[in-house]
Amino acid sequence: ETVLTQSPDTLSLSPGERATLSCRASQSLGTHLAWYQQKPGQAPRLLIYDAYNRATGIPARFSGSGSGTDFTLTISSLEPEDFAVYYCQQRSNWNTFGQGTRLEIK
Amino acid sequence: QLQLQESGPGLVKPSETLSLTCTVSGASTSNSSYYWGWIRQPPGKGLEWIGSIHYSGSTSYSGSTPYSGDTYYNPSLRSRVTISVDTSRNQFSLKLSSVTAADTAVYYCASRIRWFDPWGQGTLVTVSS
Repeated sequence: ETVLTQSPDTLSLSPGERATLSCRASQSLGTHLAWYQQKPGQAPRLLIYDAYNRATGIPARFSGSGSGTDFTLTISSLEPEDFAVYYCQQRSNWNTFGQGTRLEIK
Repeated sequence: QLQLQESGPGLVKPSETLSLTCTVSGASTSNSSYYWGWIRQPPGKGLEWIGSIHYSGSTSYSGSTPYSGDTYYNPSLRSRVTISVDTSRNQFSLKLSSVTAADTAVYYCASRIRWFDPWGQGTLVTVSS
């Protein structure tokens, strides 16, 4: 099983600041990694796929990077609606999710 | 626009079988471009993939009974999970047997060409006597 470890568990920032979220895989994934955003009481929403491609309708302030075992989700300038939980997911070896990073307002 | 909606009992007794259905609109479950999946989320916790099914258009499938070929299950749940597709109703289903309190979760269905998108709104299933 491929384990995904996200860091930090919680990130406290203010609107307008830059957010950097990390996802590390226990084995190489190439670029077979996606990022999802989940707000309270809602289903997850696909943000980034294949490590760096934005899904349809996702604002340009969201970007993904990385390959192999280390991946990053960056939000260039936080908007109030961006405070949520973010999950990474891999599909190279079955499907597994990271434990999530909670992005909260400072 | 592709949409998915989960349905099924919100309360299941321990040792019984959890059964959920996902109704698909905006696409056909017989479209071989799609995989159809189930993911769950225990209260306050993270996401766990349960399994997926792919309808490959087998010529031996008549459509009179649910199709359960081309399935992929989380190894940790494989012994208890069955996912099937009913192309005549444009639905796919999840059965999880011998449930315990640890199976209490919000259960999501999702479509997947390569990534899970979109998801249903989710349905909470509580395992309790």
